[in-house]
Amino acid sequence: NAGVTQTPKFQVLKTGQSMTLQCAQDMNHNSMYWYRQDPGMGLRLIYYSASEGTTDKGEVPNGYNVSRLNKREFSLRLESAAPSQTSVYFCASIPRDRLSTDTQYFGPGTRLTVL
Amino acid sequence: GEDVEQSLFLSVREGDSSVINCTYTDSSSTYLYWYKQEPGAGLQLLTYIFSNMDMKQDQRLTVLLNKKDKHLSLRIADTQTGDSAIYFCAESILTGGGNKLTFGTGTQLKVEL
Repeated sequence: NAGVTQTPKFQVLKTGQSMTLQCAQDMNHNSMYWYRQDPGMGLRLIYYSASEGTTDKGEVPNGYNVSRLNKREFSLRLESAAPSQTSVYFCASIPRDRLSTDTQYFGPGTRLTVL
Repeated sequence: GEDVEQSLFLSVREGDSSVINCTYTDSSSTYLYWYKQEPGAGLQLLTYIFSNMDMKQDQRLTVLLNKKDKHLSLRIADTQTGDSAIYFCAESILTGGGNKLTFGTGTQLKVEL
């Protein structure tokens, strides 16, 4: 039981390049989330998916697209990267209830730099 | 809408109690959480409380919820240097699209000897 895995861990892009951040969970959760973390701003929700086949915008969706490929996988795509998208990106898979403090609900993060 | 606020910094001496505060605006929150983030790492769930509870205690951690004032606090007893980290509160709201989680800006806790 690996919890939430994210790839890649680090990425450097040039302005205008595209890339996809991958996320997978093996906990059979319905809900998955993509957040970005910037200094002094906490975590801001980009997109979330309540179940396979559904996605909804969060607080800062502009410049991003997502795909809930199946129950396990939720990917985040930057079609044309901009320097303002330099951030640390976290994927999460959190159930509605019966949470455990022994479970890793967040991935390790992807540190993205856009030059 | 939902907005979760926290103070940015807290400094305490080792052995003292730490109290980290959080305010939220959405009264329809179902669960409220506290997460801990150590440098360079992801977020780890510390504890959580259901919105119909006032208090929850788990070893050194005590969570207090004042639903009337929409105020959540985390008390860490006998704070240790290993408690130095960023602490995030978060609220969970059921929407038509599912379970939406909103995080605060985080409180950096520094524990001094």
